[in-house]
Amino acid sequence: QVQLVQSGAEVKKPGASVKVSCEASGFTFTSYDINWVRQATGQGLEWMGWMNPYTGGTGYAQKFRGRVSMTRNTSISTAYLELSDLRFEDTAVYYCARVASARSNWYYVWGQGTLVTVSS
Amino acid sequence: DIQMTQSPPTLSASVGDRVTITCRASQIISNWLAWYQQKPGKAPNVLIYRASVLESGVPSRFSGSGSGTEFSLTISGLQPDDFATYFCQQYNSYPYTFGQGTKLEI
Repeated sequence: QVQLVQSGAEVKKPGASVKVSCEASGFTFTSYDINWVRQATGQGLEWMGWMNPYTGGTGYAQKFRGRVSMTRNTSISTAYLELSDLRFEDTAVYYCARVASARSNWYYVWGQGTLVTVSS
Repeated sequence: DIQMTQSPPTLSASVGDRVTITCRASQIISNWLAWYQQKPGKAPNVLIYRASVLESGVPSRFSGSGSGTEFSLTISGLQPDDFATYFCQQYNSYPYTFGQGTKLEI
């Protein structure tokens, strides 16, 4: 079945970087954009950006530009989110999500989430 | 950026009730709006897309309406499994934005 499986929880110190992976299965990885969304504990959903796995093209929310990078490895159908210069307020669950189609960008399937904790 | 204003933040209801959650966009987004349900510790799941289209497998007690800037999600005949948090999302233009969420509780 269509599935996104993310890497496990991470604990990082302020100023460090984290890289979260999102492995796709059950569909053609290069045919659908992957978006990243995060959620701080008890808070709402915050969109971070998108990546086209076919071209590698990306677009990031203004808030994260300069600190975020979304990449992929098509040979293993895996997308990556890297966030650098971590701050305490980056503590959140990070989700990858696949869009429904090229013309309809609601989220058809989500990863299970990866908790990133920034702590000194 | 398009702001999504969702209300109410919390909604108390009982099994069997009919409830409505609203979402207002700060700009016209046509019908490029989705509704998601999220349960504690889980990723969101889509209920409605294109403002009113029910995703396959979602019970028919869920319905969505609206266009332009005003949207609503209605649940008719609440079931115990429906007590969760609901979010709207506009996907008309980047950056995609979400409403603040509505926690539906007993």
